[in-house]
Amino acid sequence: DQQVKQNSPSLSVQEGRISILNCDYTNSMFDYFLWYKKYPAEGPTFLISISSIKDKNEDGRFTVFLNKSAKHLSLHIVPSQPGDSAVYFCAAKDGNTGKLIFGQGTTLQVKP
Amino acid sequence: NAGVTQTPKFQVLKTGQSMTLQCAQDMNHNSMYWYRQDPGMGLRLIYYSASEGTTDKGEVPNGYNVSRLNKREFSLRLESAAPSQTSVYFCASSERGSEAFFGQGTRLTVV
Repeated sequence: DQQVKQNSPSLSVQEGRISILNCDYTNSMFDYFLWYKKYPAEGPTFLISISSIKDKNEDGRFTVFLNKSAKHLSLHIVPSQPGDSAVYFCAAKDGNTGKLIFGQGTTLQVKP
Repeated sequence: NAGVTQTPKFQVLKTGQSMTLQCAQDMNHNSMYWYRQDPGMGLRLIYYSASEGTTDKGEVPNGYNVSRLNKREFSLRLESAAPSQTSVYFCASSERGSEAFFGQGTRLTVV
């Protein structure tokens, strides 16, 4: 049973517009949430994270929002750039075990 | 800084053969992970090690064994490879409360 779900396999946006990537989770023991970016033939690279005690974290063009009651988080990229085109993974860390669980990924395409 | 180093980068095995994927990190992290990435499935946790000498099953442990002999190294062993284990394997390390750092991956094909 998938504990972390990214229900949109792909997303296409125009350069300069906002990209919103979504993620849902089921495990109440998750206390730390992360977004990773992945290019083909490379390992995932860390983008931004948020602790469960916060509801928003911002880093430049990237903002992550956490809604604990809905068990939902989202990544906003504003403005989107063609170099943002990649696969984005949502991940959650179990505060009990330390395990880091990933979603299926969303492929973002930013068109010039 | 090397970060997380995985060897080999590519491997082709015949069904039934065994092999060990090596992973080493130089960041003095306690936690280490092994994942596999398959199309449409994302990154699935195979095994996890919270600290030297401890290991725990992840989401898809069947067909794999791991060894955490010291703080730096975490190896993944396939005792009898099957075509279903064709995948890209990633090793990662982290400290509690911080992000995980990934290696470049091992592309394994089992024929």
